[in-house]
Amino acid sequence: AQSVTQLDSQVPVFEEAPVELRCNYSSSVSVYLFWYVQYPNQGLQLLLKYLSGSTLVKGINGFEAEFNKSQTSFHLRKPSVHISDTAEYFCAVSDDTDKLIFGTGTRLQVFP
Amino acid sequence: EAGVAQSPRYKIIEKRQSVAFWCNPISGHATLYWYQQILGQGPKLLIQFQNNGVVDDSQLPKDRFSAERLKGVDSTLKIQPAKLEDSAVYLCASMGPGAGTEAFFGQGTRLTVV
Repeated sequence: AQSVTQLDSQVPVFEEAPVELRCNYSSSVSVYLFWYVQYPNQGLQLLLKYLSGSTLVKGINGFEAEFNKSQTSFHLRKPSVHISDTAEYFCAVSDDTDKLIFGTGTRLQVFP
Repeated sequence: EAGVAQSPRYKIIEKRQSVAFWCNPISGHATLYWYQQILGQGPKLLIQFQNNGVVDDSQLPKDRFSAERLKGVDSTLKIQPAKLEDSAVYLCASMGPGAGTEAFFGQGTRLTVV
């Protein structure tokens, strides 16, 4: 069965600092990996996804993530955050059944 | 392209009452999901449809929750009777064809059970 672990429930960071949000997954089959962002009182919006090929994927708003099969990880990074990046970030895993499972989320709080 | 539409946006009911949520997915999207998101937690998959058939409902509390997608388009999720612990945001999402395709989410329905 698929599962996703986001170890950090909250990540505080100052503006213009780099950030990494961690995600580990488990699955017995080939996976597709996603990062979604949720702003207050809004639905989820896709940041980026990994299907196959290059292990470094770039998404919107300057975010990128690296797929590491040996460590079963898909960590999200941004070299310099802005106040507007304050939101909840969710890692998710899917497979060929399209069953989409989410992690518990990481609250990114950017301080001026 | 119109997004995923959900209604109502907010609902307050008393425990033991019933409630229904409606979702209209993006046109042509065969896969439809309902998620429950309790405050401070990640979305929990309740049910996944492929057209009008159920693919996965293993996490759906079937003694009180039901969902249908009769014509393979719109979907309704019902809770009867509601409990206090059902207070959450109910998210609907749809996905187009192809492996690893992005799921598009609606704004959600915030349910408060008092």
